[in-house]
Amino acid sequence: GENVEQHPSTLSVQEGDSAVIKCTYSDSASNYFPWYKQELGKGPQLIIDIRSNVGEKKDQRIAVTLNKTAKHFSLHITETQPEDSAVYFCAASNQAGTALIFGKGTTLSVSS
Amino acid sequence: NAGVTQTPKFQVLKTGQSMTLQCAQDMNHEYMSWYRQDPGMGLRLIHYSVGAGITDQGEVPNGYNVSRSTTEDFPLRLLSAAPSQTSVYFCASGGPGYNEQFFGPGTRLTVL
Repeated sequence: GENVEQHPSTLSVQEGDSAVIKCTYSDSASNYFPWYKQELGKGPQLIIDIRSNVGEKKDQRIAVTLNKTAKHFSLHITETQPEDSAVYFCAASNQAGTALIFGKGTTLSVSS
Repeated sequence: NAGVTQTPKFQVLKTGQSMTLQCAQDMNHEYMSWYRQDPGMGLRLIHYSVGAGITDQGEVPNGYNVSRSTTEDFPLRLLSAAPSQTSVYFCASGGPGYNEQFFGPGTRLTVL
């Protein structure tokens, strides 16, 4: 079945620096790739997503890139702020489009 | 809109006990799902439903039952709780293939 690998598992940056989280997926039929942010004690919340017919998408300080040939996608956060500190999950849709397969998460810490 | 609600927030069970985790959504979504979150394991899909009367298994379905009698409600039943089911459980609605999934606040379950 589909497998999603996410790296790194932890990431520490200084306020104002950029942060990059990378994911690879195994099923070439996957065509939807969302990113979720989970703050302590809360459920995950969608921050950005990308579909397979798009190579890059940007929303203010957050951007996602997708390389379908290499089967990997990345989350880029620029000008990081302390409130960006959270756990980030990437996900990929399964072949049938009936489920999301999540990566194991990245704990991002932004220090001021 | 309340979004996705889950009850209870916390629960402690003894091995062998049964219980039902409640989930409700008021967004008229056809798709609903249950995940469990364990440290270092990310979010793993337990069961999902594509509409009232239709359910299917996810990645880790053993020990859990679901039913979907209405669009709004999607309860998760633990038939005979085991310590391995100690986890945080999230219900989600919407998605999964091309649309945002909305997560509930979670239920933290401990099985002694």
